[in-house]
Amino acid sequence: GAGVSQTPSNKVTEKGKYVELRCDPISGHTALYWYRQSLGQGPEFLIYFQGTGAADDSGLPNDRFFAVRPEGSVSTLKIQRTERGDSAVYLCASSPRVGEAGGSYNEQFFGPGTRLTVL
Amino acid sequence: KQEVTQIPAALSVPEGENLVLNCSFTDSAIYNLQWFRQDPGKGLTSLLLIQSSQREQTSGRLNASLDKSSGRSTLYIAASQPGDSATYLCAEKGGGADGLTFGKGTHLIIQP
Repeated sequence: GAGVSQTPSNKVTEKGKYVELRCDPISGHTALYWYRQSLGQGPEFLIYFQGTGAADDSGLPNDRFFAVRPEGSVSTLKIQRTERGDSAVYLCASSPRVGEAGGSYNEQFFGPGTRLTVL
Repeated sequence: KQEVTQIPAALSVPEGENLVLNCSFTDSAIYNLQWFRQDPGKGLTSLLLIQSSQREQTSGRLNASLDKSSGRSTLYIAASQPGDSATYLCAEKGGGADGLTFGKGTHLIIQP
């Protein structure tokens, strides 16, 4: 079946602009996560959705970052007034409903990422 | 803040060798640990997931172990192949956290 997809694959913008990054999770997965990966580092957690609600946004670096998931499927990560330090690969992951029975519950499946470059 | 450390940062071995990648974590309330592979410019591919109640998981030539008491996990790769060349990341999910905490990865090169 189809995996997690993310669009665009690459985004180049100018400092101060607004960007939106989209994530399509695996069909039926109710949990959705956003991470940010800088060069040479492991991904860092940003925000977690269970269904439509942001259950944990403790990883968002500041109030310029916001994410929505209005219908419990597709999610959009929004960054206002972009800064050069926001340049990174933004990864999205999904997993089956947290706590669901089965040996692989909570396994997270990642999309290919969006490479954001802020000039 | 929980931390995950991976040693070594880079490893180069001849094709055919068996090898072990190490991961240590500080979270004593770990919920599960997941190993990923990342190819250059690509996303993460899940390799193995070990629940806190398990000691190991196997998939093909890969075997991952988990020792909660010592805060360590290992990924064993048997009969390495050039196609195994990639960065390998381990990540733990704590009982009190929703996201994964990742190490920086081990960059593995298998020489033909």
